[in-house]
Amino acid sequence: NAGVTQTPKFQVLKTGQSMTLQCAQDMNHEYMSWYRQDPGMGLRLIHYSVGAGITDQGEVPNGYNVSRSTTEDFPLRLLSAAPSQTSVYFCASSYVDRGRPYGYTFGSGTRLTVV
Amino acid sequence: AQSVTQLDSHVSVSEGTPVLLRCNYSSSYSPSLFWYVQHPNKGLQLLLKYTSAATLVKGINGFEAEFKKSETSFHLTKPSAHMSDAAEYFCVVTLSGGSYIPTFGRGTSLIVHP
Repeated sequence: NAGVTQTPKFQVLKTGQSMTLQCAQDMNHEYMSWYRQDPGMGLRLIHYSVGAGITDQGEVPNGYNVSRSTTEDFPLRLLSAAPSQTSVYFCASSYVDRGRPYGYTFGSGTRLTVV
Repeated sequence: AQSVTQLDSHVSVSEGTPVLLRCNYSSSYSPSLFWYVQHPNKGLQLLLKYTSAATLVKGINGFEAEFKKSETSFHLTKPSAHMSDAAEYFCVVTLSGGSYIPTFGRGTSLIVHP
C-alpha cells in the first residue's frame, strides 16, 4: 500500500545510546519531515527536506541528525539519547504542485522512551 | 511569518449535535490550510484542505470547513457528531511559493457524549 512507513513502532533506549528511526515513502514526494509530539505541545518540527540531498533544521533540531540520499528515505538519527527525547515521532511527506503542498501523509509514529 | 491558533483546547458535544472547532491563522501570503484528525495512539489523517480553490471545503466523514479571508479563519464543522468523531483535531497552515513548512495548531480534543 502506498504511504509513509515508519520503523520501529516502539523503542526503549538507555541514556546515551544512539539509534536511527526509519522513514520511507513510495509516493515520490519531494517534501519529507520529522516531528515530535508531546502532550500539550502539538507537533514540533525537527528537520525537513525539500528533495534528495537537501535538508534543513526545524524548530527543535538539537540532538537529531538527518540525511536524504534518496527521494524515498529520510532517516532520523538520535546521536546520544536523553530522557527529554522521550516522545512520539512522526514522519510526514507531501508532494508540491505550483508551489503548494497538497496535504501531508503521516506515518503511524514511533513511540520512543529513553530511560 | 505564519501562525495558527486553535481557540479551544477541548470541545464537548452530545452525539447527534453540531460540531464547531475553531481555527484562526496569521499569514502574510496566500496560505494553504488543512485539518487533520488523530485518533488515540494513531497517526494523523487528512480531513480536508484549502488550497485557493472553493472557500467551502468538504472533507471526509461529513466534515467541512470554510475559508474566510476577512476573518482569517478556517473553522471545522459537522452537522451531527458521532461517537467515532472523538479524537484530537489539528489545524495546519502552510505558505505558498517555496516554503513547505507547515505550522500546526496545538490541537483541539473533541469529546462526544452519548
